[in-house]
Amino acid sequence: EAGVAQSPRYKIIEKRQSVAFWCNPISGHATLYWYQQILGQGPKLLIQFQNNGVVDDSQLPKDRFSAERLKGVDSTLKIQPAKLEDSAVYLCASSFPFVRRDRDKNTEAFFGQGTRLTVV
Amino acid sequence: EDKVVQSPLSLVVHEGDTVTLNCSYEVTNFRSLLWYKQEKKAPTFLFMLTSSGIEKKSGRLSSILDKKELSSILNITATQTGDSAIYLCAVGAAGNKLTFGGGTRVLVKP
Repeated sequence: EAGVAQSPRYKIIEKRQSVAFWCNPISGHATLYWYQQILGQGPKLLIQFQNNGVVDDSQLPKDRFSAERLKGVDSTLKIQPAKLEDSAVYLCASSFPFVRRDRDKNTEAFFGQGTRLTVV
Repeated sequence: EDKVVQSPLSLVVHEGDTVTLNCSYEVTNFRSLLWYKQEKKAPTFLFMLTSSGIEKKSGRLSSILDKKELSSILNITATQTGDSAIYLCAVGAAGNKLTFGGGTRVLVKP
């Protein structure tokens, strides 16, 4: 089974430029997460999708970050304009869908290789 | 706001030592606690715990959840240099919400 695919693996941009990251989750996974991990810290949730709907984007800096998940499969995360403090690894993860009878159960999330963004 | 705290922040041990990592949480609508190992960029899944007091084991790693104390520990016995990594604790809540702690960096010296 193919894992979560992310691209690019690395990106260096100047501040005020824009950048986009792409994620293809594991086939059939309904939940998709974007996390930001700054060096020395744990992953911080930016946005969570359930199919193509947003479940949680409370920590997404909406003045500069945007994300979409068209057709409930692939997702893109965009930063425009980038700031120096956006330098981080951006991780995409997906998890199994839950059926109605299992909605009280969670499953593990599987991560992609991440994109290391450096803003200079 | 959901909160997950890990301790210690980092530790250095020698091969063969035993390591115990701690994770405590304050989460609304708790469903599960998960442990991940992060060596480079992608965290890899270790355990998912949902029931209190039941130990899960995988080789030299084991973990247990205490729902009364809102905490979990991850043990690594007979450590090897390949165990050097960041260990992440995450708590799953209703709706597949997943909140991570800050991680514990473990360095195993030969």
